[in-house]
Amino acid sequence: RKEVEQDPGPFNVPEGATVAFNCTYSNSASQSFFWYRQDCRKEPKLLMSVYSSGNEDGRFTAQLNRASQYISLLIRDSKLSDSATYLCVVQEAAGNKLTFGGGTRVLVKP
Amino acid sequence: DTEVTQTPKHLVMGMTNKKSLKCEQHMGHRAMYWYKQKAKKPPELMFVYSYEKLSINESVPSRFSPECPNSSLLNLHLHALQPEDSALYLCASSQQGQFNSPLHFGNGTRLTVT
Repeated sequence: RKEVEQDPGPFNVPEGATVAFNCTYSNSASQSFFWYRQDCRKEPKLLMSVYSSGNEDGRFTAQLNRASQYISLLIRDSKLSDSATYLCVVQEAAGNKLTFGGGTRVLVKP
Repeated sequence: DTEVTQTPKHLVMGMTNKKSLKCEQHMGHRAMYWYKQKAKKPPELMFVYSYEKLSINESVPSRFSPECPNSSLLNLHLHALQPEDSALYLCASSQQGQFNSPLHFGNGTRLTVT
């Protein structure tokens, strides 16, 4: 089993719709969680950190479920510019090792 | 605009060449990373430097040789690469050993080995 797993998609989303997807992690001692977005042939860019109580940044909402060991990302009112690959990143309890999930591809269509 | 700067943006090299990739950050981060990313795959960790010392080497072949001259600079020396080493090479930095300290990536160097 991979340490961090994501549904690769693609998630085809009508413009204006809501889309949500998860990322599961295997190490119960993981402490920090992040969502990154990556556009084609570009570097990953931090979208948001994921906090225990859940957090929101505009149209984006991130949740953490420690009991079931997954994080989620929800995008409301999808824009064409939201089309990208969304990578979850999990940091272990100690050290500087951050593990990437395989990414979820989202395609927002008019 | 990224606060981590990588040069060159593109590099084409033959299998007998020696080249170096460079990375610089001025955010005061004491952890620096090299990742390799192939098309349609997530970034794959290669090396981590912590306070200018190599702390993680993910069993990377010796034809890749990292160097951290000071807290702001990170190099990756390349020698005798193979065509399958063609990829996007990403440098990143983060605050040392802190939780909730995300990676900050540079724009990457797109490497083609011929």
